[in-house]
Amino acid sequence: QVQLVQSGGGVVRPGRSLRLSCAASGFSFTTNAMFWVRQAPDKGLEWVAFISYDGVTKHYADSVKGRFTISRDNSRDTLYLQMNSLRPDDTAVYYCVKERGGYGHFDHWGQGTLVTVSS
Amino acid sequence: DIMMAQSPATLAVSPGDVATVSCRASQSVSNNLAWFQQKPGQAPRLLIYRASTRATGVPARFSGSGSGTEFTLTISSLQSEDFAIYYCQQYSRWWTFGQGTKVEIK
Repeated sequence: QVQLVQSGGGVVRPGRSLRLSCAASGFSFTTNAMFWVRQAPDKGLEWVAFISYDGVTKHYADSVKGRFTISRDNSRDTLYLQMNSLRPDDTAVYYCVKERGGYGHFDHWGQGTLVTVSS
Repeated sequence: DIMMAQSPATLAVSPGDVATVSCRASQSVSNNLAWFQQKPGQAPRLLIYRASTRATGVPARFSGSGSGTEFTLTISSLQSEDFAIYYCQQYSRWWTFGQGTKVEIK
């Protein structure tokens, strides 16, 4: 079955960096686009970043553009989110999400990892 | 950006009754609309995609309808495990979510 196992969250000071990872299994990682979605405490869901199946096309929400970088290693079936210049309003649970190939919708979510930006 | 507006924000329903959640898009998204269920401390779970297609394993009491800008999620005969927050999401142009509807026990 599809598994998306996330790691890399934690507490970080404003202005610092953090990298999230998402190890995929149970499906053909190399043929599926992937996303990061976040959820601030007691708030709704916000799309953060998109990467195409081959890593060529990337899109970012305006709130993170220029600070966050999405990438993938298809040889390791792993998705990454490099987060630089972190701000307190980046505090959220971050989810790794798989797109159903050819359909466009999100079909599987990782367990989520909490990132807390605080001094 | 396409904005998604859900109503109501909170819905109090008795077990066994019907719950109806509405979602409106600021411009047409055709049928590129999904519904998710989220329980406390858990990741969202896909319920409906393409506005009306149930995801694998989703009970038949969940149904979706609509197209263009107006969409509805209906839960018939609510079970205890259905009390949760529900989000709509468009994937027509970029990806945006509604603010969520909390379905709680009346």
